Amino acid sequence: GDSVTQMEGPVTLSEEAFLTINCTYTATGYPSLFWYVQYPGEGLQLLLKATKADDKGSNKGFEATYRKETTSFHLEKGSVQVSDSAVYFCALRRVQGAQKLVFGQGTRLTINP
Amino acid sequence: ETGVTQSPTHLIKTRGQQVTLRCSSQSGHNTVSWYQQALGQGPQFIFQYYREEENGRGNFPPRFSGLQFPNYSSELNVNALELDDSALYLCASGGEDLSTQYFGPGTRLTVL
Repeated sequence: GDSVTQMEGPVTLSEEAFLTINCTYTATGYPSLFWYVQYPGEGLQLLLKATKADDKGSNKGFEATYRKETTSFHLEKGSVQVSDSAVYFCALRRVQGAQKLVFGQGTRLTINP
Repeated sequence: ETGVTQSPTHLIKTRGQQVTLRCSSQSGHNTVSWYQQALGQGPQFIFQYYREEENGRGNFPPRFSGLQFPNYSSELNVNALELDDSALYLCASGGEDLSTQYFGPGTRLTVL
């Protein structure tokens, strides 16, 4: 079945450091790919998405590129801020059948000043 | 702010009881999905409703059931609660093309 594997956390960085959170997926066909962010005590917020190979999603300084050849969708940010501290989830959605999201286990990110 | 609201925010039940969780979607969103998020895990798909009909179901037993209403509200019902049902329950709504699903803040259910 479909699955998403994320880099294990927690990840702790200093402010202004470069961030990479790895995400790889297994799916039939060409799913859409997403990154969601969850701040403490809140639900999920869509951070960015990509719907086809080589698409780059970007938002709030975060970027991720849909790599079909490596089945990956790694999240990057050039300079993180304390306010980026949250849990990040990579997810996929198949384009056929029930439009469910399949999530990775999440990566907790803490940014220290 | 996603425009999706859920109630209640927190709920405590005992094993064997029944619970109803509610979600109010954005106007015009015909699809609602429910997810269970156990502590420290990613959300797991429970089921999805489209125009008041169930449109897909994850690996959850029949004691998890749902309803969707014409006014863009929906319910998740869980019967015969078990300790492992303790989790954050999230609803997500989307439009016809489902390109984006918007999540509510969730209901934290604790089963004692």
